[in-house]
Amino acid sequence: GAVVSQHPSWVICKSGTSVKIECRSLDFQATTMFWYRQFPKQSLMLMATSNEGSKATYEQGVEKDKFLINHASLTLSTLTVTSAHPEDSSFYICSALRDGGFISSTDTQYFGPGTRLTVL
Amino acid sequence: GQQVMQIPQYQHVQEGEDFTTYCNSSTTLSNIQWYKQRPGGHPVFLIQLVKSGEVKKQKRLTFQFGEAKKNSSLHITATQTTDVGTYFCAGPRRGSNYKLTFGKGTLLTVNP
Repeated sequence: GAVVSQHPSWVICKSGTSVKIECRSLDFQATTMFWYRQFPKQSLMLMATSNEGSKATYEQGVEKDKFLINHASLTLSTLTVTSAHPEDSSFYICSALRDGGFISSTDTQYFGPGTRLTVL
Repeated sequence: GQQVMQIPQYQHVQEGEDFTTYCNSSTTLSNIQWYKQRPGGHPVFLIQLVKSGEVKKQKRLTFQFGEAKKNSSLHITATQTTDVGTYFCAGPRRGSNYKLTFGKGTLLTVNP
């Protein structure tokens, strides 16, 4: 199967601190990964597309300086929430597209288990 | 921009009853995907429909893609308590090969 892991699964931090979340594709390579945010009882909202070897592309309204993304290798992308505030508390989920040729809209995204961030 | 709408937002059924959630896109989709998210969990891919009018079945789940490729439905026959969760549809955004727009989801609860 295609397994994606996230670490940590949950984190509590103080306001003003930074938090790093890792997303790993365990058994496949992923040039492209995605970061989503999900507030309670709401849908997934795409925050940014993480590309190995190049800068991430951010969705409209997402501050790139606040949500730093680094796609260090073909199996790892990290999201750092800088200077976190209580309104950043959310469920952060990554997904990965399996490499293997042309990326088309029929490719399946494999989701990680998510990271629940609580900012006090 | 593209919108993907889902109804109903919530559905509570007795175990054994059927359940249907409907998904409607403001634009024609190249494909539509369905995900299930258990309470406290993450989205799990269920299926992808690509062809106009396509119908796919997974045991008690039946997925349909409309002829115009703008709407889709998920029907569960004889629900079980294990079916509890939120069901999301998602379609690729126009102009992007792989960025998905998710519907708001339908939360299904099942009374045993």
